[in-house]
Amino acid sequence: DAKTTQPPSMDCAEGRAANLPCNHSTISGNEYVYWYRQIHSQGPQYIIHGLKNNETNEMASLIITEDRKSSTLILPHATLRDTAVYYCIVRSGTSYGKLTFGQGTILTVHP
Amino acid sequence: EAGVAQSPRYKIIEKRQSVAFWCNPISGHATLYWYQQILGQGPKLLIQFQNNGVVDDSQLPKDRFSAERLKGVDSTLKIQPAKLEDSAVYLCASSRIWSGRATDTGELFFGEGSRLTVL
Repeated sequence: DAKTTQPPSMDCAEGRAANLPCNHSTISGNEYVYWYRQIHSQGPQYIIHGLKNNETNEMASLIITEDRKSSTLILPHATLRDTAVYYCIVRSGTSYGKLTFGQGTILTVHP
Repeated sequence: EAGVAQSPRYKIIEKRQSVAFWCNPISGHATLYWYQQILGQGPKLLIQFQNNGVVDDSQLPKDRFSAERLKGVDSTLKIQPAKLEDSAVYLCASSRIWSGRATDTGELFFGEGSRLTVL
């Protein structure tokens, strides 16, 4: 599976958009970009995923560059409850869909 | 819909002792995962089952860790003998079989985890 690179930490003011970047320069054609988050003392939670098109759901938006080598997760109006570790994961469309977590980005939302 | 159930939530043992963790996945989920999460790190996949067969156990330390999923439902993860470096949270997750299509989220649902401390 392709590796991902994320900044170790980011800050965001409450009510502002949080833009979390992820680099996945070795991604291949059948691999998806997934985002999960983990709030303290809980298991990871699915946020969104995409292949090559931009995606939006009730939680977030995912912007994938045209060459698919990087992506950005956008939380449009961050709240204190969005403080968590955010994991960007490249997931193969084959191989039983193994999900391999990296170190993630610690997002802290400030009042 | 009930979530993934894990027990015990906390366990403290001495090194060289044994421990077992239990997981009950969401009803109808054919795929079950065990992850190990050491403090400050992302979860590491130990083993993945599809129904009652193992599809990936490449990172399971097989000299001391074992896992089974009898009848394709509940699963047990055992550590024997435990080492200090096994101190971690053990997360169980389940999902439906992922089709690999873009419209299928293939979402994993995680339990709250079992926190192991080895002294």
